[in-house]
Amino acid sequence: QSALTQPRSVSGSPGQSVTISCTGTSSDVGGYNYVSWYQQHPGKAPKLMIYDVSKRPSGVPDRFSGSKSGNTASLTISGLQAEDEADYYCCSYAGSHVVFGGGTKLTVL
Amino acid sequence: QVQLVQSGSELKKPGASVKVSCKASGYTFTSYAMNWVRQAPGQGLEWMGWINTNTGNPTYAQGFTGRFVFSLDTSVSTAYLQISSLKAEDTAVYYCARDWAAFGVVWEFDYWGQGTLVTVSS
Repeated sequence: QSALTQPRSVSGSPGQSVTISCTGTSSDVGGYNYVSWYQQHPGKAPKLMIYDVSKRPSGVPDRFSGSKSGNTASLTISGLQAEDEADYYCCSYAGSHVVFGGGTKLTVL
Repeated sequence: QVQLVQSGSELKKPGASVKVSCKASGYTFTSYAMNWVRQAPGQGLEWMGWINTNTGNPTYAQGFTGRFVFSLDTSVSTAYLQISSLKAEDTAVYYCARDWAAFGVVWEFDYWGQGTLVTVSS
């Protein structure tokens, strides 16, 4: 049960857009639409940002969007703001279990 | 409003046991599955498994069988995680997390507890 593959870090300036990739296999990301993304600030609990690949929970800004192509899911944050600086984790159902990505640290320059 | 409130930090010696609680409020407890997620210091999130809050049936992820037990007390809307024979490598923050689908399971988590730090040290 390998973790999904995410870049360790990404960065962008305020107002720019960044995309975080999450690569799995046909047994997880590619096989199901139960892909979600979580934002975690230091010392805080994770927060659901995207579910079902591309849906946003109420209260999440529309600057956050999700997509999937084959075995790779992506989270795009447009119009970067300072408060977006955090760790981001992707997550996918994998048939009999759930697998998280290793996490990506987003730095807002 | 939906809240998951977990018990406080624990310091335990190797070989001891610990029981972490997760008290839910603001919704019908038995309508939503509860998951448990571990985060070791400086590490990522790791799914431990889930418990059907309607039937009490637990499902454990690989690596979390044997010493880990999920349980419920539906009379007080509380889920529990018990870990026995604690080892240093069990040191982590443990989160409970609610599945967002009512009367179903989609393994996507809309509400999280604040986390409980369990430290195992002699």
